[in-house]
Amino acid sequence: GQQLNQSPQSMFIQEGEDVSMNCTSSSIFNTWLWYKQDPGEGPVLLIALYKAGELTSNGRLTAQFGITRKDSFLNISASIPSDVGIYFCAGHITSGSRLTFGEGTQLTVNP
Amino acid sequence: GAVVSQHPSWVICKSGTSVKIECRSLDFQATTMFWYRQFPKQSLMLMATSNEGSKATYEQGVEKDKFLINHASLTLSTLTVTSAHPEDSSFYICSARVPSGATDTQYFGPGTRLTVL
Repeated sequence: GQQLNQSPQSMFIQEGEDVSMNCTSSSIFNTWLWYKQDPGEGPVLLIALYKAGELTSNGRLTAQFGITRKDSFLNISASIPSDVGIYFCAGHITSGSRLTFGEGTQLTVNP
Repeated sequence: GAVVSQHPSWVICKSGTSVKIECRSLDFQATTMFWYRQFPKQSLMLMATSNEGSKATYEQGVEKDKFLINHASLTLSTLTVTSAHPEDSSFYICSARVPSGATDTQYFGPGTRLTVL
């Protein structure tokens, strides 16, 4: 099946630092979604991207839909301890198709 | 954003019993809901797609007779784990699709932790 390659697998940063993570695919996607999952909880949607080249912000989070439609990145600026969690990229190849997930990026923020 | 709830949030059962998990869309109607399973430190694995008023579509390797899905209304889908065994212990998460024209977004429930003794 389709796969999303998400990197890095884990990150350990100091509070206040900026963070960047990305997802790539060999296939073209028409939707990219970024979720955050806290322990014991379901994923929470952070940012949804629907157009190639689209750059969208949500507070300190910024995500972009790659021009080639095969990649997306998520940036977190000025990280804080509550940013700790697992971040997943996900995407649809076509509208209505299954949602494909990346393997997740575990973020640890040291105060 | 759209709100999806799950009940129960956790359940412990004896081997051989059946467990029902409910997934509700609280502020929107969802013609399509999804059931995922997640093992520790892993990503979400799609188990099945639940369509209101029709049979669920199961992913390869998922036993439809073991994981019964019912989507009887536009706001409720249920997953029943029949004759549960310890290997069925996992975190089960549902999601609901919110289609809007050309866009397609899924919102997730808080998950249900199933432990089978």
